[in-house]
Amino acid sequence: EAQVTQNPRYLITVTGKKLTVTCSQNMNHEYMSWYRQDPGLGLRQIYYSMNVEVTDKGDVPEGYKVSRKEKRNFPLILESPSPNQTSLYFCASSFGAMGTDTQYFGPGTRLTVL
Amino acid sequence: GQNIDQPTEMTATEGAIVQINCTYQTSGFNGLFWYQQHAGEAPTFLSYNVLDGLEEKGRFSSFLSRSKGYSYLLLKELQMKDSASYLCAVIATNKLIFGTGTLLAVQP
Repeated sequence: EAQVTQNPRYLITVTGKKLTVTCSQNMNHEYMSWYRQDPGLGLRQIYYSMNVEVTDKGDVPEGYKVSRKEKRNFPLILESPSPNQTSLYFCASSFGAMGTDTQYFGPGTRLTVL
Repeated sequence: GQNIDQPTEMTATEGAIVQINCTYQTSGFNGLFWYQQHAGEAPTFLSYNVLDGLEEKGRFSSFLSRSKGYSYLLLKELQMKDSASYLCAVIATNKLIFGTGTLLAVQP
């Protein structure tokens, strides 16, 4: 089944404790992206990747890191989480490298930072 | 700047028709998506418009007017399961920008 998977789905952590949210897609998509979704603000892009070893900042990159060592995986790293990073996070992928094709979203990760 | 406007909330009755509007002001335009998102779930693709006019897909239709910076999503024969948020997203200069979404409540 074609899909985007994320883990964990739910996470409660404390300020400053490094964490990684994994994202994997099995559709051989070139483009992958991370979004956060907050009430009243909609989906905002954190980072995106147009191919292996090619990543770039989205609209809200502060406090996050990403890597793209393999085509299928695009982990999101929070080196020192803070409460303002409490949010619902979505990973997405699309076929074309420019990210302007239909986006396929993972199920989401609900993160709470205390 | 980049700006996408949608109504925050709408209410409609089961079996009726509802139109959700989206206006945009962006630097460059290469297409517009509509996504549906149920509470706590991932957005799912509904439609894509790049040329002016109406695209119909079953109970859902989407319209685009590029000269007016305007789109709407039309939902016919509303069902309770259509209660969800509807996200308008614009491709502007190779970047996808999402609106804040319209929360639709379908009442019996």
